[in-house]
Amino acid sequence: NAGVTQTPKFQVLKTGQSMTLQCAQDMNHEYMSWYRQDPGMGLRLIHYSVGAGITDQGEVPNGYNVSRSTTEDFPLRLLSAAPSQTSVYFCASSYRGSGDEKLFFGSGTQLSVL
Amino acid sequence: DQQVKQNSPSLSVQEGRISILNCDYTNSMFDYFLWYKKYPAEGPTFLISISSIKDKNEDGRFTVFLNKSAKHLSLHIVPSQPGDSAVYFCAASTSGTYKYIFGTGTRLKVLA
Repeated sequence: NAGVTQTPKFQVLKTGQSMTLQCAQDMNHEYMSWYRQDPGMGLRLIHYSVGAGITDQGEVPNGYNVSRSTTEDFPLRLLSAAPSQTSVYFCASSYRGSGDEKLFFGSGTQLSVL
Repeated sequence: DQQVKQNSPSLSVQEGRISILNCDYTNSMFDYFLWYKKYPAEGPTFLISISSIKDKNEDGRFTVFLNKSAKHLSLHIVPSQPGDSAVYFCAASTSGTYKYIFGTGTRLKVLA
């Protein structure tokens, strides 16, 4: 059981380049989300999705795009990378329960933008 | 505007003693709270949660207390073990929104 899988684990970009961080889950979870972790800032929500075809913005959405065409996948796109996007990115998923939901996280993608 | 706050960036505790990690929130609509543990180079892992209809939830060595009037929750770890050394995040959500807001984390170091 793979859980939440993120690729790549490490990535270095130049300013202005674009890339897609991949996230896939095999738990048939309806909810998926992306967070970034920065020193002293904790985990900040970028975008989230409550089901295929439904996405919404989190706390820090600027500079990122998402789409959810399938239940399993939730890619995060950086259209024009900036040094401020240097961070560790985590994807998470959750089932829809009865008030006992919990997030399952991937192992993260460390991104450096030069 | 930081809706979930962990005001102690770090905490050191002797092995076998109690660790108490604190978390405050400002949004009165939050009714579901979670604690996560994170080791370096790994994703956060779920520890324990509590709904606003309760004021305490226990799971083994971990207990979470919720004080709704103070908008405060705390995680107690008893007894603390060296393997508990990690960064701990609290998170809050409003039921049905699936929008989880995390605090900035507290680094716990358990000394052998």
